[in-house]
Parts: sequence; C-alpha cells; structure tokens
Amino acid sequence: DAGITQSPRHKVTETGTPVTLRCHQTENHRYMYWYRQDPGHGLRLIHYSYGVKDTDKGEVSDGYSVSRSKTEDFLLTLESATSSQTSVYFCAIRITFPGQGRSGANVLTFGAGSRLTVL
Amino acid sequence: DQQVKQNSPSLSVQEGRISILNCDYTNSMFDYFLWYKKYPAEGPTFLISISSIKDKNEDGRFTVFLNKSAKHLSLHIVPSQPGDSAVYFCAASFSQNFVFGPGTRLSVLP
Repeated sequence: DAGITQSPRHKVTETGTPVTLRCHQTENHRYMYWYRQDPGHGLRLIHYSYGVKDTDKGEVSDGYSVSRSKTEDFLLTLESATSSQTSVYFCAIRITFPGQGRSGANVLTFGAGSRLTVL
Repeated sequence: DQQVKQNSPSLSVQEGRISILNCDYTNSMFDYFLWYKKYPAEGPTFLISISSIKDKNEDGRFTVFLNKSAKHLSLHIVPSQPGDSAVYFCAASFSQNFVFGPGTRLSVLP
C-alpha cells in the first residue's frame, strides 16, 4: 500500500456546481498525477505536479484546475462541472523501483479512484 | 492521436492456456513500458515493466516482450487463471510523462 487516499470516493453533483477532489499521500513523493478513466479512452492525464506549487497540464486539462500547497495533498477542482466530466478520477504518485536499468524504473502507483457523476 | 494503442478491446482465454495482450506505440522517445491490471472499483495496479534497452522481462507467470523496431510490446500470462480476469492497460513513459492505452479486457474462462 503506497499510502494514497482519495476523497470523496463517490460524488453526485449538478451541472454548474464546483467540485473538488482530494488526493493525499503519506510518503513524501515529489510527483503526483490526476487521470480520468473513460470507456474506450483508458487513462488520460489531466494535470500533474512536480513539487509544491509546481504543476503542469496534461492532455485533457480544459475545465480543470489543480493546486498543491503541501507535498502530501494534490487537489483537483472542477470550477463548474459539466456532464462530460462524469468519469472516474484516479490520483497517482510516481515511485522509483531500484535495480531496474541504470536509473531504476519509474512507476505510477494509483489510488482507489473517485467516481463523479454530473447530472 | 493515440500514442499508445491496444487494438483488442477484449480477449477470452481458457484457464491454463496462454494469454497474449498486445500494445503498439508511436513515440520513439519512450524509454520504459509498463503493464497495469485493473479490477472493477479499484485503482490500476502495476504488474511488470521493461526498459527500452531490453527485449524481455519475466516475473513469475508474466513476461513482457519488446520489439523496438516494430514499436510493439506484448504481455504473456502463462498459465492463465480465473483471477487474471481484469482490464489490462499498457503504458509508456519518458521522464515524468506516462501515456496509457485504452485497455484490453481479459476474461479467463474456467
């Protein structure tokens, strides 16, 4: 268990309302990611963070913002939720496996997911 | 434009036989390739990876093969077990970037 907690695990909201999903880690990893999973698309990157206050956009960042004021917390905000944002959202941290290759293999470890329904 | 492709949305295999899941990629910058397994209502879990400088990596029942010239990798599961029934995601990475394929649903029939 990599110590990743996502909250809430399930949320139903209405179009136009703001929503914040939280990802909390206990192991002080530098890199944190938010992905969404949709049928036929797999996992698509929304935003990622490479340190406190350091974030960057992924391939599906429109309509989402993120914040990282502490190493352990990475927040994903939908300022005004739309039905197209109904999805399962996964947070991940990047860890390094020693001994694989010259610099070790970087691997993502995922949280359990947050299922969001926008009506 | 998908950088990582899994062209088979689903695969059914008899218990005890070999499962072969395929993945193709387009970006030559990728230096690591990974396979993840996902059960319903859970997060994806890491299975096995391979560096771009290798052509094979084995871990128990799981073996990943990489053909760099063809930009193709495959995951072999031998022997397949009913508990292997899940969605399998192929992923490719370079630096801090991880790109995932759409997934293949594997069903292992008893």
